[in-house]
Amino acid sequence: AQSVTQPDIHITVSEGASLELRCNYSYGATPYLFWYVQSPGQGLQLLLKYFSGDTLVQGTKGFEAEFKRSQSSFNLRKPSVHWSDAAEYFCAVGVGAGNNRKLIWGLGTSLAVNP
Amino acid sequence: DTGVSQNPRHKITKRGQNVTFRCDPISEHNRLYWYRQTLGQGPEFLTYFQNEAQLEKSRLLSDRFSAERPKGSFSTLEIQRTEQGDSAMYLCASRELIGELFFGEGSRLTVL
Repeated sequence: AQSVTQPDIHITVSEGASLELRCNYSYGATPYLFWYVQSPGQGLQLLLKYFSGDTLVQGTKGFEAEFKRSQSSFNLRKPSVHWSDAAEYFCAVGVGAGNNRKLIWGLGTSLAVNP
Repeated sequence: DTGVSQNPRHKITKRGQNVTFRCDPISEHNRLYWYRQTLGQGPEFLTYFQNEAQLEKSRLLSDRFSAERPKGSFSTLEIQRTEQGDSAMYLCASRELIGELFFGEGSRLTVL
């Protein structure tokens, strides 16, 4: 079955510290992978996506993610966290073929940033 | 273009009442999606349209739920005879045939 697992429900880091949010997926074909961020009262915003090519993907707000096929993972990283990064982060995998692709979502990881 | 717009942002209703949410997608986007999100969960797919055609409906979408996109532009999601379990954030998203999804800010439903 297709699924996305975000093992960490809640993470707290200090401002300036590095961050890694984990995402594992289960999907038989080549995945399309996404990270979205949702701030309180805001809609979901795309941080980055992986379709093919270079497995290290650069996104907005200084985030990057690395696709590791052998580990079925697409972990999100940021070298130095800012207080404004506190939000809910969702990993998603696009399943299906071509234009009929839809997203399967993880449960999200809530990030808190200590000053 | 201001992005995907959803109205109302918050609706409080009594159990058994009908509610309708509206989504205005980005104008050139022909794909429109509805998702439901409850607290602590990721979005759950409900249905999607290509232009005015409803191409897929999730099994989550009971007979009390209906969605339309009559002219291939805005869409409405109606919930009839609301139940407390319908309380959630209803998210709309749109995209071109191929491309990233752009989400609205959601419509939060509270059923008392």
